[in-house]
Amino acid sequence: EAGVTQSPTHLIKTRGQQATLRCSPISGHTSVYWYQQALGLGLQFLLWYDEGEERNRGNFPPRFSGRQFPNYSSELNVNALELEDSALYLCASSFRGSNQPQHFGDGTRLSIL
Amino acid sequence: AQKVTQAQTEISVVEKEDVTLDCVYETRDTTYYLFWYKQPPSGELVFLIRRNSFDEQNEISGRYSWNFQKSTSSFNFTITASQVVDSAVYFCALSEGNYGGSQGNLIFGKGTKLSVKP
Repeated sequence: EAGVTQSPTHLIKTRGQQATLRCSPISGHTSVYWYQQALGLGLQFLLWYDEGEERNRGNFPPRFSGRQFPNYSSELNVNALELEDSALYLCASSFRGSNQPQHFGDGTRLSIL
Repeated sequence: AQKVTQAQTEISVVEKEDVTLDCVYETRDTTYYLFWYKQPPSGELVFLIRRNSFDEQNEISGRYSWNFQKSTSSFNFTITASQVVDSAVYFCALSEGNYGGSQGNLIFGKGTKLSVKP
């Protein structure tokens, strides 16, 4: 069974540009989560999508947005990139429910120059 | 407020030593779930175990064991006879279940970096 896949592996952008990160969940999972892992800040929750709807978002500005497609894949968009957006962005998927373990992809390393 | 604390930032042991990683959590929910994840140098987070708030039985899986104690709000993880391949960052996480419905997200501790030297 294929795990969570994320693309691209690495992404290099400059300040002010926009970035799009993609995630394909494990087959059968309807929930997709996005986390940011920045150096020294640990894993911070960004967004949760389930059945095509945004269900919750973390404490991030509106320039972080995303969507979930009918096939449950998801993309994360970051507009007006800032230097502090440099981080590993992890996508996870699960069956819906707080008791369900989230399974993570390998992440996208976003570097802002 | 919900919170997960992993007080040990880094631990270094020699192979075959036993090591315990501490995790203390805070939540106002009566239904919640606790998780441990492993993040090797390659970066991906690997799910290790889930515990629900109603099940305080300890669990053992090979060299890994987990001790859940509601009285002290702790969910500690022990690796017996550690190996070099155990070197990774280990994260403890909390998911709340019943207060206002699931928020979906995992609340992670800061992680403990374990280095096992040969």
